Amino acid sequence: SQQGEEDPQALSIQEGENATMNCSYKTSINNLQWYRQNSGRGLVHLILIRSNEREKHSGRLRVTLDTSKKSSSLLITASRAADTASYFCATDDINDMRFGAGTRLTVKP
Amino acid sequence: GAGVSQSPSNKVTEKGKDVELRCDPISGHTALYWYRQSLGQGLEFLIYFQGNSAPDKSGLPSDRFSAERTGGSVSTLTIQRTQQEDSAVYLCASSLGGAVDEQFFGPGTRLTVL
Repeated sequence: SQQGEEDPQALSIQEGENATMNCSYKTSINNLQWYRQNSGRGLVHLILIRSNEREKHSGRLRVTLDTSKKSSSLLITASRAADTASYFCATDDINDMRFGAGTRLTVKP
Repeated sequence: GAGVSQSPSNKVTEKGKDVELRCDPISGHTALYWYRQSLGQGLEFLIYFQGNSAPDKSGLPSDRFSAERTGGSVSTLTIQRTQQEDSAVYLCASSLGGAVDEQFFGPGTRLTVL
């Protein structure tokens, strides 16, 4: 099993700033997904990027994927206090999917 | 449409008791996953069901943990002789065709073992 591994583990920024989180993985993948988890709640799917895609946008989110470096980044622009959460990336490895420990993002108002 | 549902939402039990956690996946989804998230930790994969194939149990932490998926739909995660370290949020997810598809997560069951 191969996990997505996010960094940094924790990130604290001011409202309005951009937040960048990174994820690395170890094997070949078909897709990589980013999720958000608010404290004490279930996971919310944010965005899926396929291995043949290099960049994808969704609202204030921008995800990049570099399969040669086996890494992905999630950029949240113009952050809001409501973006405070833990962010996870997950890869699929043929028939299974694993999560890393996540990045804890705190956006201060 | 209905998403993934889990029950109970909260479960408090005494050490040594058995518990059953239930997951109702989205109708038509062939893949079902169980994860565990302990306080302050990341997600830990437990078990994966894909159609009629034998489940991938590689993530189960001990033989006290087992899971079934009846009729390719509802799944039950059973923890026997619960220990305090079993306290966590147990998340279930389903996807349409397998790991390459987006997973839809349920709200989780918060298990507290006293």
